[in-house]
Amino acid sequence: EPEVTQTPSHQVTQMGQEVILRCVPISNHLYFYWYRQILGQKVEFLVSFYNNEISEKSEIFDDQFSVERPDGSNFTLKIRSTKLEDSAMYFCASSGSGIQYFGPGTRLTVL
Amino acid sequence: KQEVTQIPAALSVPEGENLVLNCSFTDSAIYNLQWFRQDPGKGLTSLLLIQSSQREQTSGRLNASLDKSSGRSTLYIAASQPGDSATYLCAGGGTYKYIFGTGTRLKVLA
Repeated sequence: EPEVTQTPSHQVTQMGQEVILRCVPISNHLYFYWYRQILGQKVEFLVSFYNNEISEKSEIFDDQFSVERPDGSNFTLKIRSTKLEDSAMYFCASSGSGIQYFGPGTRLTVL
Repeated sequence: KQEVTQIPAALSVPEGENLVLNCSFTDSAIYNLQWFRQDPGKGLTSLLLIQSSQREQTSGRLNASLDKSSGRSTLYIAASQPGDSATYLCAGGGTYKYIFGTGTRLKVLA
């Protein structure tokens, strides 16, 4: 069964460094999403992407964040200058016709 | 602003019981309502999706219903098993965004 994959599974970085989280959505899907979950808190929407542009974004998704679909298969989330409060599990999701399929997540730890 | 609430926050039951988990949302303009399962430290596993034209979905021992007029969804788990122990999340929204509830942490005792 097709699935969303994410790399790396765990990323440790120093505050102020740039990180890129990678996702490979399910191949025939057209809608892509990033969510995050801070430890012990609920899953929060960050951004959605369709037709090579951002469809919707939350207040969390400020100028420090960007998304890109650099080729036909990858979907990336970049955080330019990480802060301690960016430490969270980041989930990528994709959908084709309604149901959103989530990847296993990347645990980002900012020291 | 859409808010999604799940009740109860935690539930501990003996094996074999039938369970009802509740999800309520403030804005009835929900296009999709999806239920997920999350094991500790893991990702989200999709359980059931109810789209706007539907009122319920069933998969095995799980049944989810959606009442848009009251802004409520219910996940029914029949004959619970220890392997059902996990956090159950509901999420509602449209094509471009889901809002998640805070989850119900379920523990089924053998």
